[in-house]
Amino acid sequence: AQTVTQSQPEMSVQEAETVTLSCTYDTSESDYYLFWYKQPPSRQMILVIRQEAYKQQNATENRFSVNFQKAAKSFSLKISDSQLGDAAMYFCAYRSPNYGGSQGNLIFGKGTKLSVKP
Amino acid sequence: GAVVSQHPSRVICKSGTSVKIECRSLDFQATTMFWYRQFPKQSLMLMATSNEGSKATYEQGVEKDKFLINHASLTLSTLTVTSAHPEDSSFYICSARTDMNTEAFFGQGTRLTVV
Repeated sequence: AQTVTQSQPEMSVQEAETVTLSCTYDTSESDYYLFWYKQPPSRQMILVIRQEAYKQQNATENRFSVNFQKAAKSFSLKISDSQLGDAAMYFCAYRSPNYGGSQGNLIFGKGTKLSVKP
Repeated sequence: GAVVSQHPSRVICKSGTSVKIECRSLDFQATTMFWYRQFPKQSLMLMATSNEGSKATYEQGVEKDKFLINHASLTLSTLTVTSAHPEDSSFYICSARTDMNTEAFFGQGTRLTVV
């Protein structure tokens, strides 16, 4: 079974600085998807960024980028120019592809609470 | 982007009663919907997966007779918590996707309090 590990329960960053959130996962599959979700106090899950395992290029979305190391099974999230609105819980998630009997559900890590200091 | 609407956002019910939570995909056909439960300061735990027109697949440890899931159409899935007890109080979140999407879209969640 696949597992996702986020080893940082809490992180803090100064406004305008850069912070990196760690995520490792375990799988025997070669084809899969990885995601970072943000959950603000409203508890609405917001997709931050996604990465297909077959793509070697790291995904980027404006101030958010990932460092995907497939061999090491590592998927860290870098937030540049941190803003007060970035403060939230961040969940790393794994998803199997849509075949082989998989329903394609998300497997979440325990989350990292990010605080942004003004 | 795709929108998933979950209703109600908050509900308080008496112990022993049942409560229904709806999850609707507003602008796409959701062949698969997922129901998660989230305890305070914890991660999302998958409860069950439902495919339109089929019986839901429940995760180990989830009582299917207590958490009834119906996915009768491509835009609506419901979760009914039957004979609710205080320990069922939690935050319930649905997500939905089409077969072709790699991304699942989430509803706003429902905070259930059983008194």
